[in-house]
Amino acid sequence: QQPVQSPQAVILREGEDAVINCSSSKALYSVHWYRQKHGEAPVFLMILLKGGEQKGHEKISASFNEKKQQSSLYLTASQLSYSGTYFCGTPRGETSGSRLTFGEGTQLTVNP
Amino acid sequence: EAQVTQNPRYLITVTGKKLTVTCSQNMNHEYMSWYRQDPGLGLRQIYYSMNVEVTDKGDVPEGYKVSRKEKRNFPLILESPSPNQTSLYFCASSKETGPYEQYFGPGTRLTVT
Repeated sequence: QQPVQSPQAVILREGEDAVINCSSSKALYSVHWYRQKHGEAPVFLMILLKGGEQKGHEKISASFNEKKQQSSLYLTASQLSYSGTYFCGTPRGETSGSRLTFGEGTQLTVNP
Repeated sequence: EAQVTQNPRYLITVTGKKLTVTCSQNMNHEYMSWYRQDPGLGLRQIYYSMNVEVTDKGDVPEGYKVSRKEKRNFPLILESPSPNQTSLYFCASSKETGPYEQYFGPGTRLTVT
């Protein structure tokens, strides 16, 4: 089942904050976040593992609520370079990161 | 430089004409995948491979074939393309062990008329 992302799109001014949510109807063992800039390939941001371990990007943080089967990506003091489409991905199995099902994406636009 | 390469980057073809999109990675990754990206649908996995000669279907495998004869290469084959396969295709690779970061190729934009 495809995870559900919200909002579908968000427009910010430079320096503002944003939160992107990802929820699943099934139990989650990890959540993967990717960003895709216009005309480019998706790039890995971070992975959140069951048990609270977090890895990834310095200026963007995320949370993972296993009980609620949700993850949120926090972008604080946004920069122009944050613009792009953000995808969350959830694995089919407990640990496999290669068998990801991605959400539909959240388009983030940061204006000057 | 660590990278995933795809060829061709752009392809316009006609219905029914067999085509192959190549994918190669130089990171010695065990896992490789093919995705298609369509507006409003996100990235959908077509096939993936866990290693040489080991492949399995993803979410949307119909109309596609793959093979993994060498660890670095994972070609996508459309034996009889149809217009509904017009899409942006990405190949990706990752290690067998964590953190499972997937490295994506630059994409192949396919148009089937």
